[in-house]
Amino acid sequence: GAVVSQHPSWVICKSGTSVKIECRSLDFQATTMFWYRQFPKQSLMLMATSNEGSKATYEQGVEKDKFLINHASLTLSTLTVTSAHPEDSSFYICSASPTGGYQPQHFGDGTRLSIL
Amino acid sequence: QKEVEQDPGPLSVPEGAIVSLNCTYSNSAFQYFMWYRQYSRKGPELLMYTYSSGNKEDGRFTAQVDKSSKYISLFIRDSQPSDSATYLCAMSVGNYGQNFVFGPGTRLSVLP
Repeated sequence: GAVVSQHPSWVICKSGTSVKIECRSLDFQATTMFWYRQFPKQSLMLMATSNEGSKATYEQGVEKDKFLINHASLTLSTLTVTSAHPEDSSFYICSASPTGGYQPQHFGDGTRLSIL
Repeated sequence: QKEVEQDPGPLSVPEGAIVSLNCTYSNSAFQYFMWYRQYSRKGPELLMYTYSSGNKEDGRFTAQVDKSSKYISLFIRDSQPSDSATYLCAMSVGNYGQNFVFGPGTRLSVLP
């Protein structure tokens, strides 16, 4: 149980385009989902907390207009990297915690984003 | 001082060895403690989570929490080459994963 699916797993696109990444909880409902960024050989850096039906909470230094988050249902959150540039190239990972009681975060398999 | 510190590694052990991975933390408000395993270019996979001080065992893995010393450990018995990965400790204050803090990770290589 507690499976999180992330799509796509790898995307390459030209500078200036926008890229949407989907995060789905397959077998549980998640009021809250999280988006992380990870650079090579470094730990995960929390970008934002996505709340179903309300605005996301962004960590300090993360541009909300660059990284648009939508959490329209209890099983789906999306991250859109707008007008992507090479410095946005990174590994993006989402996670979700099942609703109800304490539940640890379960992670998707990540999306490798390469901007040319 | 960082909020969560972890043995930096990398750590190389022979197959069959017992592996000890450790984290220390400074925030006494942390109540929930997790260990994740991350293979290269994959998301972290939850191995163990616990709330209270003491030991929790699951197969070859044992998680140990000492809240008085602010110290947690993960032991891997009979280590296998497939255990080669980066291990991340994580901890949080409240429910639903808020205030979730990761350690920097320890890279483990189990040599056949």
